[in-house]
Amino acid sequence: AQKITQTQPGMFVQEKEAVTLDCTYDTSDPSYGLFWYKQPSSGEMIFLIYQGSYDQQNATEGRYSLNFQKARKSANLVISASQLGDSAMYFCAMREGDNDYKLSFGAGTTVTVRA
Amino acid sequence: DADVTQTPRNRITKTGKRIMLECSQTKGHDRMYWYRQDPGLGLRLIYYSFDVKDINKGEISDGYSVSRQAQAKFSLSLESAIPNQTALYFCATSDGGLAGIKGGEQFFGPGTRLTVL
Repeated sequence: AQKITQTQPGMFVQEKEAVTLDCTYDTSDPSYGLFWYKQPSSGEMIFLIYQGSYDQQNATEGRYSLNFQKARKSANLVISASQLGDSAMYFCAMREGDNDYKLSFGAGTTVTVRA
Repeated sequence: DADVTQTPRNRITKTGKRIMLECSQTKGHDRMYWYRQDPGLGLRLIYYSFDVKDINKGEISDGYSVSRQAQAKFSLSLESAIPNQTALYFCATSDGGLAGIKGGEQFFGPGTRLTVL
């Protein structure tokens, strides 16, 4: 079974608007971590934001926020005030447990910001 | 200078050839990983290593082997390359300490684009 599901292959968003990227996960481990990475067309993987399973508050990093709904097993990324430079592929990933730090990735969502 | 480097950045090879992808890091991390990225599949773990003597298979290790020559170096080999190994390959590192604020964040190299003809 897929551990990370990203159901939106591609999205368009108008510059300065907000966009929400969906991510659902599947794990039976009570301790886990959720990550979002950005991959621009140049190919590198850029860490955006992290949410731990025991964190009480939703994570925020600048224009990025993570809408963590534990009961629904979802960890959606919200990008506010979209910029042209936000056009990229976005990956949701999960670390299960606290030991080996392996990550399971979703298939990714391509975001295109329109001027 | 980049913390995680990969060589080569691009490589075209033929079916049946042996090829090695190299990864070096200056972050001082114990843990290193090799992933491959295919369109529509995200990144999948090939091998990972906790230290020089601890190497583990990931989700898709068949057809690959690795060598951890030192804490800073982790190489991926394709013994006999085949076309479906055409992909973007990433090396990554992480700190071996407790999860902390960023929960074992992995730091990625720039990737190696491999084409097997």
